[in-house]
Amino acid sequence: EPEVTQTPSHQVTQMGQEVILRCVPISNHLYFYWYRQILGQKVEFLVSFYNNEISEKSEIFDDQFSVERPDGSNFTLKIRSTKLEDSAMYFCATARTGLGSFFGQGTRLTVV
Amino acid sequence: QQQVKQSPQSLIVQKGGISIINCAYENTAFDYFPWYQQFPGKGPALLIAIRPDVSEKKEGRFTISFNKSAKQFSLHIMDSQPGDSATYFCAAQGAGNMLTFGGGTRLMVKP
Repeated sequence: EPEVTQTPSHQVTQMGQEVILRCVPISNHLYFYWYRQILGQKVEFLVSFYNNEISEKSEIFDDQFSVERPDGSNFTLKIRSTKLEDSAMYFCATARTGLGSFFGQGTRLTVV
Repeated sequence: QQQVKQSPQSLIVQKGGISIINCAYENTAFDYFPWYQQFPGKGPALLIAIRPDVSEKKEGRFTISFNKSAKQFSLHIMDSQPGDSATYFCAAQGAGNMLTFGGGTRLMVKP
């Protein structure tokens, strides 16, 4: 069964450092999303990406965050200068039609 | 108005029983309502979903009931099994295809 693949599974970084989280979407999917889940809390929307541009973003997705699809396959989330409160599970999700998003296994980001 | 409220926060059910999780929303622009199952350390997995023009959808042991006028929907798990023990999230999707999640329900099915 096709799946969304995320790397790395766990990333530890120092506060102020840049991190890049990577996602390989399911091959025929056209809609891409990033969500995050702080430990024990609900899943929160960050950004949606369609047709090579951001279609929606939340208040969380400030100037420190960016997304891109550099090579037509990988979908990346970059955090320029990490803060302690960025520590969370980050999930990539993809959808073929905009309905029925499939989530990856997540990247656990720990900022120390 | 973007919130989705989910209850209960936790639920304990005996094996073979029925698990019921409820969600309520405010935004009438939501037009797609999926349920996700999440095991510890894993990503949410799409379980079942419904559109607002349908009042009920059943897939195996899982049923969504949808009440458009009350802006409520619920997940029923029939014949609950220990393997169903997980956290369940309702969600709602509207413009921009972003999902708004409920707070989650931690289900434990006792053998």
